[in-house]
This record gives sequence, structure tokens and C-alpha cells, in this order.
Amino acid sequence: KAGVTQTPRYLIKTRGQQVTLSCSPISGHRSVSWYQQTPGQGLQFLFEYFSETQRNKGNFPGRFSGRQFSNSRSEMNVSTLELGDSALYLCASSGGTGGDEQYFGPGTRLTVT
Amino acid sequence: EDQVTQSPEALRLQEGESSSLNCSYTVSGLRGLFWYRQDPGKGPEFLFTLYSAGEEKEKERLKATLTKKESFLHITAPKPEDSATYLCAVHFAGNNRKLIWGLGTSLAVNP
Repeated sequence: KAGVTQTPRYLIKTRGQQVTLSCSPISGHRSVSWYQQTPGQGLQFLFEYFSETQRNKGNFPGRFSGRQFSNSRSEMNVSTLELGDSALYLCASSGGTGGDEQYFGPGTRLTVT
Repeated sequence: EDQVTQSPEALRLQEGESSSLNCSYTVSGLRGLFWYRQDPGKGPEFLFTLYSAGEEKEKERLKATLTKKESFLHITAPKPEDSATYLCAVHFAGNNRKLIWGLGTSLAVNP
């Protein structure tokens, strides 16, 4: 079974630009969660999508948004990039029922200059 | 406040020197506790899920245990390839399926 894939793997953007990251979950998984990871901050939850609906949201500004398609693939968008948005963005998929484990993709390393 | 705390923050072991990592939590209504391993620049790799106090899971040199307020990840006779950051996350009732993550323990195993 193929794992979670994320594209692109690396991205360099300048302040003020916007970026779209993509995630393909494990086949059959309906839940996709997005996380931001920076040194010293750990994994910060952005949002979760289940069956094309946002089910949970973390404490991030509205510049961070996402969506999920009918095939469970998900995208997240960050508009008006700031230097502090530089991070590893991780996508995780799960079956979507309570208590089940999440499987992570390799991440997208975003650098904002 | 619901919290997950991992200790120590960093641990350096000699190859073959067994030790334990701790994950303590202050949530009620635990629905699952998860252990992950993360190598630098990569996504976390799922290791174990524990659901109830007294439960134990094993995989190679790793053994995870769970009590009512904490979990331990025991590493027996570690090898250099066990070097990684180990993360713990908790899912509990009433949090709408969100996980609470610890900051991790960075483990270095010297040959």
C-alpha cells in the first residue's frame, strides 16, 4: 500500500507571496490533517479534513487555509507569506474514526526569504 | 489544561545501554496514546498505539507501556540507528479527535 505523499518536497518563496502544498493520503483513508513543525515548537496542528469538510481547526491565522477533494487528496494554502512561516509542513492521513493512528508524509520544507 | 509532557528533552546513550523515555499526560478520558519516531527532516513514523492502562506493545528493541497518567518507551540494548526524536501524542474524549503532542525526546546512541 502506498504511503502518504506530499508535493513539492522543497519550496523557496519570498515574503508576500502565496503557496499551495498538496497531500495524497493512503488509499482508503478519509481524514487528512496538516501540521506545522518548527524547531522548539513541536508539531502545531493546523486543520483536519474529513470527507471534504473541515472537522477541526488549530490556532492559526486566516492566511492558512485548506481544502479536501472527493478523492480525499488535500491542499493547504498560505497567503501573504511571512518569514515566520518557514517550517516543515506535514500532512497525515488516518481512517477518520476516533482514536486511530495517523500516518505522516515526508513533509514539505518551506523557506520564506 | 490538557497537556502532554515528555522527558527527558534529550538523552545520550552508549550502544547497548538500555533506558526509558517518559510521556506524562493530564487529560481525562484517554482514547489512545501514540508513539512516533522522527528522523531529521522527515515525517514522523508511527510506532505504537496504547489504549488502556496496563497495555504493552513491543517492536524489536522498543517496548511501550501505559499507566493511568503516563507512558514509557523502553529501549533495550539500543543501536546507533535508534537515534531519532521520539514523539508522544494523546487523543482523549471531548477534544473532537484532535491530538495533543509532546515536544519529543531527542535520543542519540553512540557506537
